[in-house]
Amino acid sequence: GENVEQHPSTLSVQEGDSAVIKCTYSDSASNYFPWYKQELGKRPQLIIDIRSNVGEKKDQRIAVTLNKTAKHFSLHITETQPEDSAVYFCAASKGAGGTSYGKLTFGQGTILTVHP
Amino acid sequence: KAGVTQTPRYLIKTRGQQVTLSCSPISGHRSVSWYQQTPGQGLQFLFEYFSETQRNKGNFPGRFSGRQFSNSRSEMNVSTLELGDSALYLCASSPDRANTGELFFGEGSRLTVL
Repeated sequence: GENVEQHPSTLSVQEGDSAVIKCTYSDSASNYFPWYKQELGKRPQLIIDIRSNVGEKKDQRIAVTLNKTAKHFSLHITETQPEDSAVYFCAASKGAGGTSYGKLTFGQGTILTVHP
Repeated sequence: KAGVTQTPRYLIKTRGQQVTLSCSPISGHRSVSWYQQTPGQGLQFLFEYFSETQRNKGNFPGRFSGRQFSNSRSEMNVSTLELGDSALYLCASSPDRANTGELFFGEGSRLTVL
């Protein structure tokens, strides 16, 4: 089955700095890669996603890049703010191929702390 | 539009007991997935239901089961509880359309097994 590795497990940055979280996946058939943010005591929420036919996607301060050949994808957050502090999870699935999006394989998560 | 609702939010059981958790998806969402979240294992997929049929299943023992009703509400059941079943159980629904993969999570049911 699919295996997703996520690094680093913790990341501490100063407000205004950039943060980068990296994930690798094992199943070359995976074609959908979302990122979820989970604040302390709250539910995970989708912040950005990318499909395998796209190499990069950006949404304001957040961007995701995908390298299908190397089977890795990364989350980039620029101009970090204290409210970006949370646990970030990457995930992979074959959902974009017409099966379903409901089965996600998650990475272990990255605890991001943004210091004011 | 109301979000995904899970009940109960907290529960405490003892080893050997069984538990049933409930999930009401967002109106119009036909896909419901269940995940187990623990500090050590992270978020792990349990199963997914669509139109009352189990569409995908994770690598959990047969003690973990689920079902979906005609109104898309879903339940999961864990029998013969073990200490290691202590976790946050998250339900997520999705509209199951090809152009959107977003899962909408509930706040979870926190199970403690003593």
